[in-house]
Amino acid sequence: AQTVTQSQPEMSVQEAETVTLSCTYDTSESDYYLFWYKQPPSRQMILVIRQEAYKQQNATENRFSVNFQKAAKSFSLKISDSQLGDAAMYFCAYNPPWAVNDKIIFGKGTRLHILP
Amino acid sequence: DTGVSQDPRHKITKRGQNVTFRCDPISEHNRLYWYRQTLGQGPEFLTYFQNEAQLEKSRLLSDRFSAERPKGSFSTLEIQRTEQGDSAMYLCASSPWVREDEQFFGPGTRLTVL
Repeated sequence: AQTVTQSQPEMSVQEAETVTLSCTYDTSESDYYLFWYKQPPSRQMILVIRQEAYKQQNATENRFSVNFQKAAKSFSLKISDSQLGDAAMYFCAYNPPWAVNDKIIFGKGTRLHILP
Repeated sequence: DTGVSQDPRHKITKRGQNVTFRCDPISEHNRLYWYRQTLGQGPEFLTYFQNEAQLEKSRLLSDRFSAERPKGSFSTLEIQRTEQGDSAMYLCASSPWVREDEQFFGPGTRLTVL
């Protein structure tokens, strides 16, 4: 069964610094999608960044980038120049190939605190 | 496009009562998903629809739970004979035809069963 593990329940980073959130997953599939979602205190989940497993190049969205290590089944999120608005729960998520099923599997989340 | 909306945002009920939640997806999104999220956990998949067809149901969805999407637009999730263990945030998400892997989430309905 596919699983997603986030080993850091909470993290803190100084404003303007860089922080990396870890995620590992388990799957026997070769093609899939990985996501990082942000859930601010208002609770609406927002997609931060997505990675397609067949693409070797790491995805980047402004201050957010990932380090995708397919062989190690690792998918970490780096947030550069952290801002107060980055404070939230961050969920790593796995989406199997559409032909298998279409349900996203989420990790338990990492709560990120930004220190002013 | 106003995004995915859910109603109500909060619901408090007594054990044994029935409750119904509504989700309005982004217009023209053909897929609609329901998730449950308990405190300190990530969302857990409950069920999803492609248009009006319910294609998959999680084992989490006991026979007290039923979901519908009668016209392929909005969806309802009903919980009958609520139990305290049903207390959670119920999230709805929708995805477009072209990028079915990209799900857009609503704000959720927080259910408290007393």
